[in-house]
Amino acid sequence: QVQLQESGPGLVKPSETLSLTCAVSGYSISSGYYWGWIRQPPGKGLEWIGSIYHSGSTYYNPSLKSRVTISVDTSKNQFSLKLSSVTAADTAVYYCARHYYDSSGYCPVFDYWGQGTLVTVSS
Amino acid sequence: QSVLTQPPSVSAAPGQKVTISCSGSSSNIGNNYVSWYQQLPGTAPKLLIYENNKRPSGIPDRFSGSKSGTSATLGITGLQTGDEADYYCGTWDSSLSTVFGGGTKLTVL
Repeated sequence: QVQLQESGPGLVKPSETLSLTCAVSGYSISSGYYWGWIRQPPGKGLEWIGSIYHSGSTYYNPSLKSRVTISVDTSKNQFSLKLSSVTAADTAVYYCARHYYDSSGYCPVFDYWGQGTLVTVSS
Repeated sequence: QSVLTQPPSVSAAPGQKVTISCSGSSSNIGNNYVSWYQQLPGTAPKLLIYENNKRPSGIPDRFSGSKSGTSATLGITGLQTGDEADYYCGTWDSSLSTVFGGGTKLTVL
């Protein structure tokens, strides 16, 4: 059974960098699939942040691209998110998830999700 | 504001049928497949429907999906109290991003 687990600080100061890691078990990242980050502000909907392939190819939401870096460490079977220059608007539950692309090759289908971790941006 | 528009809430009695709409444009739903996710209270989203109308293994056939033009619909029959959740549609947008609807809260009266 594929399992994903997010970890990282629950509190980040404004203007600093948010850093999260997603540990994957039950599946080797090197075997394929894409690995992504999605966030959900309190009481609001979902927002895709970006994704990475095991080869290291990355795909970012254009609205966040200038502040986001996603990386993968296949030796540890985990991938990470860095979001710089955070503000209160970045307060959210952050999910990591596995996905593949549908038969059209465009739309990600997220089939396994982590439980999510709340990150609050506050001084 | 979400790119995809969903009603904030829907409700129906146990055993009844409910539909949840997801409206977009030619930049997203009109030219791409749609997925649906169920988020039970306090939990992570779960894939319900992909490629408009396909169900992953383990998802009961009470859940169905359809698409017409720039809109998609999730249908749930035989409603159960355990179906109370938030439901999200998602697809690809020509802005080079995955986009989601704002979510619909289902209440089973």
